[in-house]
This record gives sequence, C-alpha cells and structure tokens, in this order.
Amino acid sequence: GQNIDQPTEMTATEGAIVQINCTYQTSGFNGLFWYQQHAGEAPTFLSYNVLDGLEEKGRFSSFLSRSKGYSYLLLKELQMKDSASYLCAVRDRGNYGQNFVFGPGTRLSVLP
Amino acid sequence: DAGVIQSPRHEVTEMGQEVTLRCKPISGHDYLFWYRQTMMRGLELLIYFNNNVPIDDSGMPEDRFSAKMPNASFSTLKIQPSEPRDSAVYFCASSPLAGVTYEQYFGPGTRLTVT
Repeated sequence: GQNIDQPTEMTATEGAIVQINCTYQTSGFNGLFWYQQHAGEAPTFLSYNVLDGLEEKGRFSSFLSRSKGYSYLLLKELQMKDSASYLCAVRDRGNYGQNFVFGPGTRLSVLP
Repeated sequence: DAGVIQSPRHEVTEMGQEVTLRCKPISGHDYLFWYRQTMMRGLELLIYFNNNVPIDDSGMPEDRFSAKMPNASFSTLKIQPSEPRDSAVYFCASSPLAGVTYEQYFGPGTRLTVT
C-alpha cells in the first residue's frame, strides 16, 4: 500500500522562506505532485517531480529524493496569499498507472 | 476554456435519498477522476476513467456508490441510498494524456450534506 506523511500545520512570516516536507512509501513510484488548496476551494497544481533533484518555478521549488522517499516544497518571499493547505501526492503505477494518493496536507499560515 | 465544471455546487439531502453529482471535464482531456475530501480522511481517489472507460474503482467505498461516463464530456457519481457519513466535498478532476506531468485540473467541488 501507500503512505504519505506531512506536518499538519506550519506558521511563517511574510517575506520569509518555508520548507514543507513530505515522506512517502509506495511500491510503484511514478511521480510526485504538490498542490495548493485555499480554504473552500479546489486544489491547484504547483509542481511535479519524477527524477531526483530540484525543480524551480518562480517563488516555488520542489525537491525529490526517490531513494529516501522524500520530497519538500520550498516557498520563498512568502506572501499573505500563500496561506493555504499544501498537499503532497504520489502517483503509483499500481495496476493501471494513474493511481493518485494524496497526503493529509500541511496547513500553512503566513503572518504579517 | 471554462475548466472542469461540476454541479450542483451544494447539495443537502436526507438519509436514504439518491444523490447524483455531475461533471464536465476539460475538452480534450483523456482522464477523469472522482475524489472525496473530508477532514478525517483527506482527499481520497474514488474512481478514474480513461477515454470514458472506468479503469480503477478500488477507491469506491461500497456498492452504494456508482460512476458512469457515457461520453467524453460528461460523468456522474451516484450515491444510492445516501447516508450521513457520505457528507463530504466531492471533486472531479481531468488530465490530458499527452505531456510530461499529466497534472490534474480540479473542478470547484460539490459540497454534499446528508442529514
């Protein structure tokens, strides 16, 4: 089966940098995704990693280590609008190739 | 593009009633996913389709739940009979077959309350 762990809550200050960690266990790893979800809204795609290393996209970066089953999302120059839940999701090959498992999410609060 | 469209946005029903949730994926997307989100269990994949064909329904909680995709632009998730524990936000998402990431685009969700 699959298991994904993330911290439940984090707090950071506007303008700072925050790192949200995600650890996972899966039998057929086929990519790791980060989604942002504001309260009462749908998740929106942030980043994707399938090979080890860092992917940078503006203020957001995501890192993956497949051997350690570990990823992190790095948010720089935090803004108030970054207050949201951040969901780590693993795509597992399974039997069909598109089985997505989402972590519990990390609720980030950005304070002025 | 209008994005993924779901209806209704809110549904309140009594236990035992049939509930039908609807989804229109983004045109040209080959995959359609149904998710359920609750505080206790987070976001759970219920079922997904590829080219209108159900591929994996192992996440469907029980026989009371069924999903169909009669054509490329429409899917339904039906709960019959509904129970209070089915109260959740149900999301539909679609993704293209082509490309590298196969990222999913989520609809706004249907908030279901079963009393």
